[in-house]
Amino acid sequence: EAEVAQSPRYKITEKSQAVAFWCDPISGHATLYWYRQILGQGPELLVQFQDESVVDDSQLPKDRFSAERLKGVDSTLKIQPAELGDSAMYLCASSLSTVDSGNTIYFGEGSWLTVV
Amino acid sequence: SQQGEEDPQALSIQEGENATMNCSYKTSINNLQWYRQNSGRGLVHLILIRSNEREKHSGRLRVTLDTSKKSSSLLITASRAADTASYFCATDLSGNTGKLIFGQGTTLQVKP
Repeated sequence: EAEVAQSPRYKITEKSQAVAFWCDPISGHATLYWYRQILGQGPELLVQFQDESVVDDSQLPKDRFSAERLKGVDSTLKIQPAELGDSAMYLCASSLSTVDSGNTIYFGEGSWLTVV
Repeated sequence: SQQGEEDPQALSIQEGENATMNCSYKTSINNLQWYRQNSGRGLVHLILIRSNEREKHSGRLRVTLDTSKKSSSLLITASRAADTASYFCATDLSGNTGKLIFGQGTTLQVKP
């Protein structure tokens, strides 16, 4: 069964350093999401792509976070500089199309970030 | 911001018992979905119920939706130790671009 691939699985970085996460969605999925999940809470949407275009980035802290999906396939989420409060799991997900048409979202295993 | 609120936050039951989790939301939705997350892993989709549906079944799962009360429930029958996980409801808001908003989740522990 096709999966959403994410790397790295775990990352420890010092505050003020840069960190990047990579995601490869399920082949053919036009919609790609980056979620952040703080321990004990539900996932919070950071950015949503439809093909290579950003559909929603209203919750993305744009002063330090950036996301791109240049060819409409894989995606990179970058944090620079990292802060202690960024410690969380970063989840990538994809779906055939937008969920309002009844599509479900498929999640990757997540990337754990610890900022020290 | 969180749209869905799950209740209870934590639930502990014995194997074989039924587990019921509730979700309340604030605004009109296109559909509501339930997801499961094992500790430290990604989320797995369980079931989707559309706003014009009232009940849906999938194996040992039963989901109900009451749009007048803006609430949904997830029932797991004959629970197993392997059902131990966190369960999240997620709502797709009406008129939205397809943004899925998750609640805080219910942590279920099934004791063998």
